Amino acid sequence: AQSVAQPEDQVNVAEGNPLTVKCTYSVSGNPYLFWYVQYPNRGLQFLLKYITGDNLVKGSYGFEAEFNKSQTSFHLKKPSALVSDSALYFCAVRDDRTTDSWGKLQFGAGTQVVVTP
Amino acid sequence: GAGVSQTPSNKVTEKGKYVELRCDPISGHTALYWYRQSLGQGPEFLIYFQGTGAADDSGLPNDRFFAVRPEGSVSTLKIQRTERGDSAVYLCASSLTRGAYNEQFFGPGTRLTVL
Repeated sequence: AQSVAQPEDQVNVAEGNPLTVKCTYSVSGNPYLFWYVQYPNRGLQFLLKYITGDNLVKGSYGFEAEFNKSQTSFHLKKPSALVSDSALYFCAVRDDRTTDSWGKLQFGAGTQVVVTP
Repeated sequence: GAGVSQTPSNKVTEKGKYVELRCDPISGHTALYWYRQSLGQGPEFLIYFQGTGAADDSGLPNDRFFAVRPEGSVSTLKIQRTERGDSAVYLCASSLTRGAYNEQFFGPGTRLTVL
């Protein structure tokens, strides 16, 4: 079974400060990990993914994420947050070993990011 | 290019009625997915299609829910005898293929309200 946890319901950060959104996962095989962002009344937008290779993945809008296998984590980071980064962020996982669930993404509950001017 | 589109954007219905929600995926994407997102929750998987066939429908909550994709492009999610608990945002996504490494591209969703 695959699962993902986002331990923080909300993250508050001042504009210009570094932003980190936490995500941990559980899979039986190797993980495929994804981050999505959701703005109000809009669908989810893909930010970045980890499949294999370098543990540091760079994505859209200046975001990056670090894959840590020993800690089963995939935290999203941005060096300098903008007010426009205020949104709902979702981490998602797929298990490469469970072929019958290749279609489904398992999402976390989401973390609301609030960036204040 | 055009993204995933969903119609209607909002649907209000009465308990016991039948509803259809439509999804038009990105052109050329063979895999299509339906999720349901309740307030304050992450999306929950319902069903996915590879081509015309439902490859995994394990997320459909009961037999009131059904989805089709007859020509391998547009999909319709059908809900019979709607209940108030069906109220949620229904999201559709597509990906180039069903490979586990492929990201899914989401539509804006249909907000279903059952009175």
